[in-house]
Amino acid sequence: QKEVEQDPGPLSVPEGAIVSLNCTYSNSAFQYFMWYRQYSRKGPELLMYTYSSGNKEDGRFTAQVDKSSKYISLFIRDSQPSDSATYLCAMKADYKLSFGAGTTVTVRA
Amino acid sequence: DVKVTQSSRYLVKRTGEKVFLECVQDMDHENMFWYRQDPGLGLRLIYFSYDVKMKEKGDIPEGYSVSREKKERFSLILESASTNQTSMYLCASSPSTGAVGDTQYFGPGTRLTVL
Repeated sequence: QKEVEQDPGPLSVPEGAIVSLNCTYSNSAFQYFMWYRQYSRKGPELLMYTYSSGNKEDGRFTAQVDKSSKYISLFIRDSQPSDSATYLCAMKADYKLSFGAGTTVTVRA
Repeated sequence: DVKVTQSSRYLVKRTGEKVFLECVQDMDHENMFWYRQDPGLGLRLIYFSYDVKMKEKGDIPEGYSVSREKKERFSLILESASTNQTSMYLCASSPSTGAVGDTQYFGPGTRLTVL
């Protein structure tokens, strides 16, 4: 069983829709939770990070962590074609990041 | 802005060749990492280094070695390339301040094809 499970999609939504992305994990030692965005032919870039259960908002993006259920989510409101990318969840216990497989999202204009 | 650069965007090599992938970061970060990214598998850590001349194995070190002679440069070496090493290789760096936001900054990646 992988430490981090993420539905690879692909996910296709119309512009303006809410995008919902999820990851589950099995390692209770994970303390920090991150979402990376990766555009085609580019390296991943950090989108959001959090270390506590609950919600964290940044503009149109909301990261949600439920440590009791070992479940994290990313919501993108009012999605735009420029949000089309692969989104990777990542979790950190000490020095090391463990990544999900990534979900490819396409926002249709 | 943190900048992580990788020597090549695309590389084609033959089975058995020795391959060098170079990574340079300009932010004086202590930690540097090499990952490979494959469809459906996400990013998997090959090696990392937390200081000059120091290295630690990641999850999939077999068939790879690394070198870090200078703080800003971290090299990944495939001693004898094989077709199952065809992949996207990503380098990353991070500081060691211990802060919550000590995240990893990634380079653009090198897509390696081994024929």
